Amino acid sequence: GEDVEQSLFLSVREGDSSVINCTYTDSSSTYLYWYKQEPGAGLQLLTYIFSNMDMKQDQRLTVLLNKKDKHLSLRIADTQTGDSAIYFCADAHPNTDKLIFGTGTRLQVFP
Amino acid sequence: GAVVSQHPSRVICKSGTSVKIECRSLDFQATTMFWYRQFPKQSLMLMATSNEGSKATYEQGVEKDKFLINHASLTLSTLTVTSAHPEDSSFYICSALPSVRGQRNEQFFGPGTRLTVL
Repeated sequence: GEDVEQSLFLSVREGDSSVINCTYTDSSSTYLYWYKQEPGAGLQLLTYIFSNMDMKQDQRLTVLLNKKDKHLSLRIADTQTGDSAIYFCADAHPNTDKLIFGTGTRLQVFP
Repeated sequence: GAVVSQHPSRVICKSGTSVKIECRSLDFQATTMFWYRQFPKQSLMLMATSNEGSKATYEQGVEKDKFLINHASLTLSTLTVTSAHPEDSSFYICSALPSVRGQRNEQFFGPGTRLTVL
């Protein structure tokens, strides 16, 4: 079945850049999403990328997509303590609208 | 716009009781809603797809008699955990897919319901 993998944990200093990586297996994906989840809360959509793009920038966020390697990354520039959360990538199945979520990466930002 | 609410946000119940969780799309209609379950420090697991006016489609391994889903209107889906047991304790999140699709078919997520079964 489809699988989406992420590294589990990332720790960065405030002001540095964070890069969160994601790999997926479904080659028919149309959109790939990045969500943020703060403790005890639902999911907040951060950004997305269409599968025929290789890069998308949105303020401090940069998404890179390597479709050949099925690798997706999220770069957060000038990381702040408020960015501490769990980040999920998700792969949208084109026929069923289902989202397959990655394992989640816990980002910890320290002063 | 595109707000999804869940009620209750937190529920504690005794083992053997049934618990109903509501998912509402507040400012849009949603033919399709999804129910997810999230264990502590783990990812979201899709439980079922809720379709307005028809039976829900359950993912493999999810007991449909245990997790009853009703999607009686275009703005409301309910998940009932029947005869709840401690192993059903989890964070349940719903999402709603607008009936009028945008380019990205974006799902909008509710804030989640924390269920604790004693």
